[in-house]
Amino acid sequence: QSVLTQPPSVSGAPGQRVTISCTGSSSNIGAGYDVHWYQQLPGTAPKLLIYGNSNRPSGVPDRFSGSKSGTSASLAITGLQAEDEADYYCQSYDSSLGNYVFGTGTKVTVL
Amino acid sequence: QVQLQESGPGLVKPSGTLSLTCAVSGGSISSSNWWSWVRQPPGKGLEWIGEIYHSGSTNYNPSLKSRVTISVDKSKNQFSLKLSSVTAADTAVYYCARAGSRGAPRYFDLWGRGTLVTVSS
Repeated sequence: QSVLTQPPSVSGAPGQRVTISCTGSSSNIGAGYDVHWYQQLPGTAPKLLIYGNSNRPSGVPDRFSGSKSGTSASLAITGLQAEDEADYYCQSYDSSLGNYVFGTGTKVTVL
Repeated sequence: QVQLQESGPGLVKPSGTLSLTCAVSGGSISSSNWWSWVRQPPGKGLEWIGEIYHSGSTNYNPSLKSRVTISVDKSKNQFSLKLSSVTAADTAVYYCARAGSRGAPRYFDLWGRGTLVTVSS
């Protein structure tokens, strides 16, 4: 199992704000490693959504934002839209394991 | 723009070796990027397998290191994955991905479409 824990699912109505947590430990997020976020639409490859904790690649709407504090990170989606229904994964590095690690993944449902 | 395309057998027998190739188009594999393999078992999360730089330097997931070899062919602008002694637990969609040299850790800014590999007799 992953060392980065995310809630299995979150949901919200169109226009609402939802947040996804990514909880790690002192050997990964807490050690100062950056957190990145990916969006995986059904049946497609993951897509980079946030890098370096809070930076958006070109083309990613500013409805998506990221933050990091202590041993955790969060992804927020404001103004939720139907097209945001997808799985979301956080990613960092774990010094104890010696490799890149992904979070357990969160399915976002738009009600 | 740069694109990645995985190719290889979709079915591998247990105890056999899984072999996949990722072709890089629209750009050079000798750019300042690391090239990775990531897999995703059906209905499950993502697992990083390993990465290679065009110089041949590699890093592997310690949990898979004894069975994994990643190589690069600069003349063909592609890199490859070999995973030996496979079992049903290795059944997954295998993605190739690009990571820039920046970031701590690096992040994957470009992904292939993925290819499903099933381990079954």
